[in-house]
Amino acid sequence: DSGVTQTPKHLITATGQRVTLRCSPRSGDLSVYWYQQSLDQGLQFLIHYYNGEERAKGNILERFSAQQFPDLHSELNLSSLELGDSALYFCASSVGTASSYNSPLHFGNGTRLTVT
Amino acid sequence: GNSVTQMEGPVTLSEEAFLTINCTYTATGYPSLFWYVQYPGEGLQLLLKATKADDKGSNKGFEATYRKETTSFHLEKGSVQVSDSAVYFCALHYDKVIFGPGTSLSVIP
Repeated sequence: DSGVTQTPKHLITATGQRVTLRCSPRSGDLSVYWYQQSLDQGLQFLIHYYNGEERAKGNILERFSAQQFPDLHSELNLSSLELGDSALYFCASSVGTASSYNSPLHFGNGTRLTVT
Repeated sequence: GNSVTQMEGPVTLSEEAFLTINCTYTATGYPSLFWYVQYPGEGLQLLLKATKADDKGSNKGFEATYRKETTSFHLEKGSVQVSDSAVYFCALHYDKVIFGPGTSLSVIP
């Protein structure tokens, strides 16, 4: 058990809809990362938050947004969903920022999103 | 920019065979290098890491050495088991965390 909790585990929704994925980081971890994993694209970095502030952005679409709350949990919002957004979405946490680069990432088990 | 390249899979080995998964990187600074493993239906988990040149990371019989001169961090195991079947990701931690594409390993009895 990594200590990172993601909900829900599975999500099925229709095109054009909006969903929210939730992540609770490991106790004591200040950094939260979001990744998208699909068969053809591999593991794509979306966004990184540290202690409530956005630290880095990756290949995140404008239809997607995220935030990290004062209690350090994070939410990833996906809107105007398309078939191609179907993927596994992982949250990971670490004790520091990526610039304290010795810290490993601890991953949740992911949310599987299916857009029909 | 920084990047990670891994050998293409899938890799299929017989039990007790020797494993090598190649990983090379490009980086503008001095990153830390990690190997993560993903078992079916789970998230990634740390396998081993090395934080500076010539460091060797090891865990569960797996080893990898940080080679700055060849910009490589190849994963090795002397004798694989069926339970090692998983996807292995090489990763670079610097200003961002960048993962390689992953290498799927299947070990058959």
